[in-house]
Amino acid sequence: KAGVTQTPRYLIKTRGQQVTLSCSPISGHRSVSWYQQTPGQGLQFLFEYFSETQRNKGNFPGRFSGRQFSNSRSEMNVSTLELGDSALYLCASSFVVVTDTQYFGPGTRLTVL
Amino acid sequence: DAKTTQPTSMDCAEGRAANLPCNHSTISGNEYVYWYRQIHSQGPQYIIHGLKNNETNEMASLIITEDRKSSTLILPHATLRDTAVYYCIVRVERNNDMRFGAGTRLTVKP
Repeated sequence: KAGVTQTPRYLIKTRGQQVTLSCSPISGHRSVSWYQQTPGQGLQFLFEYFSETQRNKGNFPGRFSGRQFSNSRSEMNVSTLELGDSALYLCASSFVVVTDTQYFGPGTRLTVL
Repeated sequence: DAKTTQPTSMDCAEGRAANLPCNHSTISGNEYVYWYRQIHSQGPQYIIHGLKNNETNEMASLIITEDRKSSTLILPHATLRDTAVYYCIVRVERNNDMRFGAGTRLTVKP
């Protein structure tokens, strides 16, 4: 079975721009969670989507948003980028029905200049 | 979710068992113990999880104390490729907001 895939793998943007990251979960997985990882704050939970609905949300400003499509693929969007948004953005998927174990993708490395 | 405490770093000789401890003294009865590892800037890799019984899979063994206040991840024969940051997380099933701490940086040395 293919793992979680994330696109793009690397991205460079400038302050004020917006960015959209994509995540394709493992086939059959219905939950997608997003995390931000920075050297200073470590891994922090952004939000989780299940059946196209946001089920859980971390403590991030409204500039961070996401959505999930009917095929369980998910996108996250960051508007009005700030230098501090430079991070590794990780997506994780889980089956939910049988097991909640989350499996992570390789991440998207976002650099904001 | 309960907070976990792990040593900042550990070394292990190649071929020897690596024993990584984790304290979770405030764990609740319905919280599972999960272990992940992250190899330099890759996505975290799931290793193993358990509720109260010891667990073993092809990667590792998880030993949970009877009072569930601590656990140990055992890599039976560490290799250089096991060098990574290991995270111990406690979480309730159905809550996908996993709280990662700083983890333990394991260095396997030749």
